[in-house]
Amino acid sequence: EAGVAQSPRYKIIEKRQSVAFWCNPISGHATLYWYQQILGQGPKLLIQFQNNGVVDDSQLPKDRFSAERLKGVDSTLKIQPAKLEDSAVYLCASSEGWETQYFGPGTRLLVL
Amino acid sequence: KNEVEQSPQNLTAQEGEFITINCSYSVGISALHWLQQHPGGGIVSLFMLSSGKKKHGRLIATINIQEKHSSLHITASHPRDSAVYICAVRSETSGSRLTFGEGTQLTVNP
Repeated sequence: EAGVAQSPRYKIIEKRQSVAFWCNPISGHATLYWYQQILGQGPKLLIQFQNNGVVDDSQLPKDRFSAERLKGVDSTLKIQPAKLEDSAVYLCASSEGWETQYFGPGTRLLVL
Repeated sequence: KNEVEQSPQNLTAQEGEFITINCSYSVGISALHWLQQHPGGGIVSLFMLSSGKKKHGRLIATINIQEKHSSLHITASHPRDSAVYICAVRSETSGSRLTFGEGTQLTVNP
């Protein structure tokens, strides 16, 4: 069974630029999560989708971050414009229900 | 104060040692997860607990709901166990959202 796929694996941009990350969850998993993990900290939930609807986006900085999950499968997370403090690993995870979450390899973002 | 606190933050051990990582939380939970994160890699779920104890190979996870505390034990540790171990809880009121601890960096030297 294929795992959660993310791309790109690494991205370096300058502040005020835009960036987008892509996630393909495990086939059949209705729930998709985007997390931000700053170095030395645990992951922080940014947004959770159930199929193509948003369940929880209370911790998403909506002035600069946006996410969508068209057709309830793949998802993209965008940052526009990026700030230095957005440097982090962005993790995508999916789950069938509310039990085990399966994580992708993450996208490492460095904002200069 | 974080809802999930882990200790220690960093742990260095010699191969073969018995290792314990602790997790304390401050909210009522429906489940607690132990996760493993290797450098440059994704996160792997090790255990999900709501009560008692679970064992998988050399890993043992316990939880005491009354004391709001969980431990992850590694017996006969090996250098390949070197990773960050993260405790995460699903609170009774948060639906499926997980709240994560900051992780424990474990280094096992040969």
